[in-house]
Amino acid sequence: GAVVSQHPSWVICKSGTSVKIECRSLDFQATTMFWYRQFPKQSLMLMATSNEGSKATYEQGVEKDKFLINHASLTLSTLTVTSAHPEDSSFYICSAPIRMNTEAFFGQGTRLTVV
Amino acid sequence: GENVEQHPSTLSVQEGDSAVIKCTYSDSASNYFPWYKQELGKRPQLIIDIRSNVGEKKDQRIAVTLNKTAKHFSLHITETQPEDSAVYFCAGYNKLIFGAGTRLAVHP
Repeated sequence: GAVVSQHPSWVICKSGTSVKIECRSLDFQATTMFWYRQFPKQSLMLMATSNEGSKATYEQGVEKDKFLINHASLTLSTLTVTSAHPEDSSFYICSAPIRMNTEAFFGQGTRLTVV
Repeated sequence: GENVEQHPSTLSVQEGDSAVIKCTYSDSASNYFPWYKQELGKRPQLIIDIRSNVGEKKDQRIAVTLNKTAKHFSLHITETQPEDSAVYFCAGYNKLIFGAGTRLAVHP
């Protein structure tokens, strides 16, 4: 299958700082990237959908100024958690299909801990 | 908006038994229905999927059935094994929205 590489796999940051998470599609062009947050023992909650070259579409309740998504190229999408707080600590994971309505490939995920 | 409901939230079976997980979706425009398996601390992996023009699909011990009229689809695992223990997610696909997940435990 296709490969989506996500970095970093884990990060610890101080409250008030910003953290950038990168997802790269290594062997295909990802027109669309889905970004999720997953709390322990819970489901994957869709935060936003990014499309290359256009603004991301955020789900209800997700602050777009806090979770900045950039999808400037067909192989790279980034999520920046700005002014992070302890309640932002979670597992963040990206996913991209080769084409819509086909298998979506997930990155490894990033475990964010804000102290 | 699009909504996917999944039941049960937990499922415990004996090795060799069958397991069934059910999902309902709200978006009539959905035409692709994947099932993912997630092991602890790992990324979700696709195990089977089905398109709206098909009623059933089978891959060895795993099968998925789809009822478009009723807007529900189900995952069937036969002859369960301990390594099937994981969390399983269904998804609706206009945007990739996941159900709440089912934690399956297969006891030897």
